[in-house]
Amino acid sequence: KAGVTQTPRYLIKTRGQQVTLSCSPISGHRSVSWYQQTPGQGLQFLFEYFSETQRNKGNFPGRFSGRQFSNSRSEMNVSTLELGDSALYLCATAMGGGSEAFFGQGTRLTVV
Amino acid sequence: GESVGLHLPTLSVQEGDNSIINCAYSNSASDYFIWYKQESGKGPQFIIDIRSNMDKRQGQRVTVLLNKTVKHLSLQIAATQPGDSAVYFCAEKGGSTLGRLYFGRGTQLTVWP
Repeated sequence: KAGVTQTPRYLIKTRGQQVTLSCSPISGHRSVSWYQQTPGQGLQFLFEYFSETQRNKGNFPGRFSGRQFSNSRSEMNVSTLELGDSALYLCATAMGGGSEAFFGQGTRLTVV
Repeated sequence: GESVGLHLPTLSVQEGDNSIINCAYSNSASDYFIWYKQESGKGPQFIIDIRSNMDKRQGQRVTVLLNKTVKHLSLQIAATQPGDSAVYFCAEKGGSTLGRLYFGRGTQLTVWP
């Protein structure tokens, strides 16, 4: 069974640009959550999607958005990038809300 | 269990010894807990989980203990190996948080040969 796949693995962007990250869940998983990980703040929850609907949202500005497609694949977008957005972005997928959640390898975003 | 700090607690053990990693959680409504292992440059890897109707659960070389009275979770690793060196996170879920996980700060485990 394939694991959670995140693409790309690494990205370098310039301030002001926008970026789109992708997450393909484990087959059968309908819940996809996104987290930002930085050395200073640890793992911070961004949002969760289930059956194409956002059902949970963390405390991030509106520049951070996401969506989920009918095949459960999810994308997150960050617009008007800032230096502070440099982080490891992780997605976690699960069958439902109360089940095991598995992480992808993450996308390392560097904003210069 | 929210990540709050800059500095990770650290634990150093000798290869072959047992390790105990502790975690305090904050939400009394949490009913599901997971331990993750994260190696440098990788995503968190699922180790073991436990539901609130249990006090103990065992896996291969790992045991998780849950004390709901004091809101405390621990991960015991038997016969620790150098490959166990990583950051370990506890995560909690429950109440109305649906799929959202709340993470602890993490503990850096270093295993010396």
